[in-house]
Amino acid sequence: AQKITQTQPGMFVQEKEAVTLDCTYDTSDQSYGLFWYKQPSSGEMIFLIYQGSYDEQNATEGRYSLNFQKARKSANLVISASQLGDSAMYFCAMSGIIQGAQKLVFGQGTRLTINP
Amino acid sequence: DGGITQSPKYLFRKEGQNVTLSCEQNLNHDAMYWYRQDPGQGLRLIYYSQIVNDFQKGDIAEGYSVSREKKESFPLTVTSAQKNPTAFYLCASSISGLGVDTQYFGPGTRLTVL
Repeated sequence: AQKITQTQPGMFVQEKEAVTLDCTYDTSDQSYGLFWYKQPSSGEMIFLIYQGSYDEQNATEGRYSLNFQKARKSANLVISASQLGDSAMYFCAMSGIIQGAQKLVFGQGTRLTINP
Repeated sequence: DGGITQSPKYLFRKEGQNVTLSCEQNLNHDAMYWYRQDPGQGLRLIYYSQIVNDFQKGDIAEGYSVSREKKESFPLTVTSAQKNPTAFYLCASSISGLGVDTQYFGPGTRLTVL
């Protein structure tokens, strides 16, 4: 079975600092995907970044980068130059193929608070 | 603009009533999903559909039902058999559901049982 672990229930960071949100995963699949989503207080899940298990380079999307360490089974999200609008819940998720269909498994989330 | 819409945003239900949550997408995605989120928790999969007129149970399907009569629509009914339905419900879609595709989410419906 696939499992995602986010060990940081909450994090507090000063504006403009970089922040790393931890995510470790467990799977026996060879092919899988790792995702990060942002959930602001409005509730909508906003897709941030994706990393495929066979991708050799770490994914980047603007201020977001994914630090993928396959041997350690970790997929940490790095946000550079944090902004007040980055305050939200962040979820790490893993995608795998189960019975011919894609399924996403989510971690418990990390609440990030950016202080001015 | 392409996207996923969910209605209503807030829904109140009396015990013993069935309620239906709407999910519509105009992204031309084949696959659609329903998730439940409880306070302080991650998302759990209720039902998913990879193609019209076909759907599969997720991890917590008991007390819920779905239909997929049109590609664009995937309504979720919360039945009276669902013992604890108060939660935040999120609908998502992806291009095919057969590979590692990104799932995109709607704004959610918050259901409260009175």
